Amino acid sequence: DQQVKQNSPSLSVQEGRISILNCDYTNSMFDYFLWYKKYPAEGPTFLISISSIKDKNEDGRFTVFLNKSAKHLSLHIVPSQPGDSAVYFCAASGAGTASKLTFGTGTRLQVTL
Amino acid sequence: EPEVTQTPSHQVTQMGQEVILRCVPISNHLYFYWYRQILGQKVEFLVSFYNNEISEKSEIFDDQFSVERPDGSNFTLKIRSTKLEDSAMYFCASSVQRLNQPQHFGDGTRLSIL
Repeated sequence: DQQVKQNSPSLSVQEGRISILNCDYTNSMFDYFLWYKKYPAEGPTFLISISSIKDKNEDGRFTVFLNKSAKHLSLHIVPSQPGDSAVYFCAASGAGTASKLTFGTGTRLQVTL
Repeated sequence: EPEVTQTPSHQVTQMGQEVILRCVPISNHLYFYWYRQILGQKVEFLVSFYNNEISEKSEIFDDQFSVERPDGSNFTLKIRSTKLEDSAMYFCASSVQRLNQPQHFGDGTRLSIL
């Protein structure tokens, strides 16, 4: 099941710079997209979401962009902080099964000093 | 901030034994979910639950699995006869509504089958 893909397993960014995490999906019926952050030994923590009727949603340092024609979303973190170091998952729902989240494999972000 | 709590944090069980994983969802949430993550793999949906019945389940959620809301606060996942391949992190989640609302996750139960 490769409906949601995060092709970069890891990303390293300097503190203060922008982190850009990418996610692609194949199912055009997905209509709600989320980003979660996960620290070791903890559950996924909700960060930000976007509905398919929008192309951008912003919350503080976090912005999610949705390009429906390309079936692509990205998470921008500006400025990046050391505490942002974690694994980031994108997830999607819709496709007639609105309650089920389909997750990507995750991208490990390391923010260096 | 309200959170989803799961107990125990780690459960070790012999193959073939029954196991019950417990969750207390956020109090005003109406929709409840179980997911699992096998080591090195994706987080996978198991089941969603609303109004005391299953609203959706995956192919993983076979007859060995069941869910229950035995009282007003707890939400449980039972695996009747555990197999080695059931070893995974099990996450409980809850949401206010079904559509276009984030699901909030607990910290998970690590289930180890020997």
